[in-house]
Amino acid sequence: GAVVSQHPSRVICKSGTSVKIECRSLDFQATTMFWYRQFPKQSLMLMATSNEGSKATYEQGVEKDKFLINHASLTLSTLTVTSAHPEDSSFYICSAKNDGTLVSPLHFGNGTRLTVT
Amino acid sequence: KNQVEQSPQSLIILEGKNCTLQCNYTVSPFSNLRWYKQDTGRGPVSLTIMTFSENTKSNGRYTATLDADTKQSSLHITASQLSDSASYICVVSAYGNNRLAFGKGNQVVVIP
Repeated sequence: GAVVSQHPSRVICKSGTSVKIECRSLDFQATTMFWYRQFPKQSLMLMATSNEGSKATYEQGVEKDKFLINHASLTLSTLTVTSAHPEDSSFYICSAKNDGTLVSPLHFGNGTRLTVT
Repeated sequence: KNQVEQSPQSLIILEGKNCTLQCNYTVSPFSNLRWYKQDTGRGPVSLTIMTFSENTKSNGRYTATLDADTKQSSLHITASQLSDSASYICVVSAYGNNRLAFGKGNQVVVIP
């Protein structure tokens, strides 16, 4: 089955530094990838939709200059949390679809636990 | 108000017993409804996907139902196992776009 690899699985960084999270589709090409944030016992919250070769589409309230998304190839999207603050501590998850149909399953990465100290 | 409401928020069941999780939604126009299983600290894994024309779909011990008229879905877990302990997330897609509405999940704990 389709596999999405997310790296790192866990990262601790100091306030003010930047952190890059990678999302790779291992055995399929993903023209669209999605980035989510999840707080404990809460829904996944869509942050942005990443499109290969074009600018990401950000959800309302998500700062595009703080959460930089790059989707340079059909198998890789990256999320960079710039100048991280403790309130950015969360579980970040990516997902990808391997075709453009509305009913195709979303394949999720295993998430990245970010802790900002 | 969240477009997808799940109940119960959490439940504890004995190993071997059955349980049913509920999902009510207001997303319209409706395209499809998905159930995902999310283990703690992991990404969600797809269990079922149903369109408006489907009213039941099974995946092993998991059986999902859909009533598009009442905008309700359920996920039934048969003969629960300890590995079924997880959060079960209901996700509803609106017709015409790729936008998904996520429920907060049903937290299931299976005890021996």
